[in-house]
Amino acid sequence: GAVVSQHPSRVICKSGTSVKIECRSLDFQATTMFWYRQFPKQSLMLMATSNEGSKATYEQGVEKDKFLINHASLTLSTLTVTSAHPEDSSFYICSARDQGTDTQYFGPGTRLTVL
Amino acid sequence: AQKITQTQPGMFVQEKEAVTLDCTYDTSDQSYGLFWYKQPSSGEMIFLIYQGSYDEQNATEGRYSLNFQKARKSANLVISASQLGDSAMYFCAMMGAWGGSNYKLTFGKGTLLTVNP
Repeated sequence: GAVVSQHPSRVICKSGTSVKIECRSLDFQATTMFWYRQFPKQSLMLMATSNEGSKATYEQGVEKDKFLINHASLTLSTLTVTSAHPEDSSFYICSARDQGTDTQYFGPGTRLTVL
Repeated sequence: AQKITQTQPGMFVQEKEAVTLDCTYDTSDQSYGLFWYKQPSSGEMIFLIYQGSYDEQNATEGRYSLNFQKARKSANLVISASQLGDSAMYFCAMMGAWGGSNYKLTFGKGTLLTVNP
């Protein structure tokens, strides 16, 4: 199956700093990638849809100035959590859409802890 | 709008037995896709199986099969010959209007499956 990588897998940062998370499709091109947030024992919550070469589409209630998304190439999307606060601590997971099958393949996730 | 309902928060099964995880959906779209994903404790989401709304046959992938009943709007996942490694959270998801919704997935709340030795 298609492979999606995510980096870093785990990050701990101080309150007020910014953190960048990378999502890469390794063996296919993805014009569309997605960023999710998952709280413990809950389902995935879609944050935004990342489209290559255009602005991301954010879900209602997600602050676009806080969660900056860049999709500069067909294999890379980045999520930057700006001025992180402890309430931003969560599991962030990305997915990439395989255009051939429309299936979303997920990265392994990034666990962010803000102190 | 789409909605996915997974009514079983937790399920237990004996090793080597079969288990069915329930999923019902609601949509007004004529064309849609249904997916099942597995999430082990490590957190990664693993794609298991897909069923298109116009597929006449139920999807199968190894030990996984999807019992698709369109009239009942159900898409249950059947795992045969359960293994200890099947213990994980399982999510049912739906993509509506096949691309019209910008390919977004709607997820259910998940079912935590525990396989007992």
